[in-house]
Amino acid sequence: AQSVAQPEDQVNVAEGNPLTVKCTYSVSGNPYLFWYVQYPNRGLQFLLKYITGDNLVKGSYGFEAEFNKSQTSFHLKKPSALVSDSALYFCAVSSGAGSYQLTFGKGTKLSVIP
Amino acid sequence: DGGITQSPKYLFRKEGQNVTLSCEQNLNHDAMYWYRQDPGQGLRLIYYSQIVNDFQKGDIAEGYSVSREKKESFPLTVTSAQKNPTAFYLCASSIEPEPWNEQFFGPGTRLTVL
Repeated sequence: AQSVAQPEDQVNVAEGNPLTVKCTYSVSGNPYLFWYVQYPNRGLQFLLKYITGDNLVKGSYGFEAEFNKSQTSFHLKKPSALVSDSALYFCAVSSGAGSYQLTFGKGTKLSVIP
Repeated sequence: DGGITQSPKYLFRKEGQNVTLSCEQNLNHDAMYWYRQDPGQGLRLIYYSQIVNDFQKGDIAEGYSVSREKKESFPLTVTSAQKNPTAFYLCASSIEPEPWNEQFFGPGTRLTVL
């Protein structure tokens, strides 16, 4: 069975500071990793994904994520946080081991303080 | 929220009633998905469909039913057998049912049982 852990329910960061939202995963086979963002009472928006290749993935709105196979992690990062980045962030994983299912973490609430 | 529409935005149901949530996409995507979101629990897969006239149960299919008669439509029925249906329901689609494809989400339907 595949799983995702987001160890922090909430992350607070000052505007202009770098931010990191943590994610670790467990799968059989090759992992495909995704980050999504959700604003209140809205659907999820895709930010970025890792399939293969370069471990540093760049996505929308200045976000990036680093795939670390040995640590089974896929942390989301941004060099300089904006107040408008405040939202709920979800990490998700699927694998090539015969499953089409995307498994989500429980989400991390990011608050950027002005 | 891309080319996926969900209706209604809010839905109230009396106990013992069946209700149907609509999901339509104009992205020409083959695969469609239904998720349930509860506070602090992330997203859980209810049903998914890889192609027209075919669908499979997800992790929490009990008390739900779906149909996929048209490529662009994937309605979800919440039956009276679902004991705790109050939740936020999200529909999603992907271009093909492959694990490396990102999913695009609709704006969601919030269902409340009175």
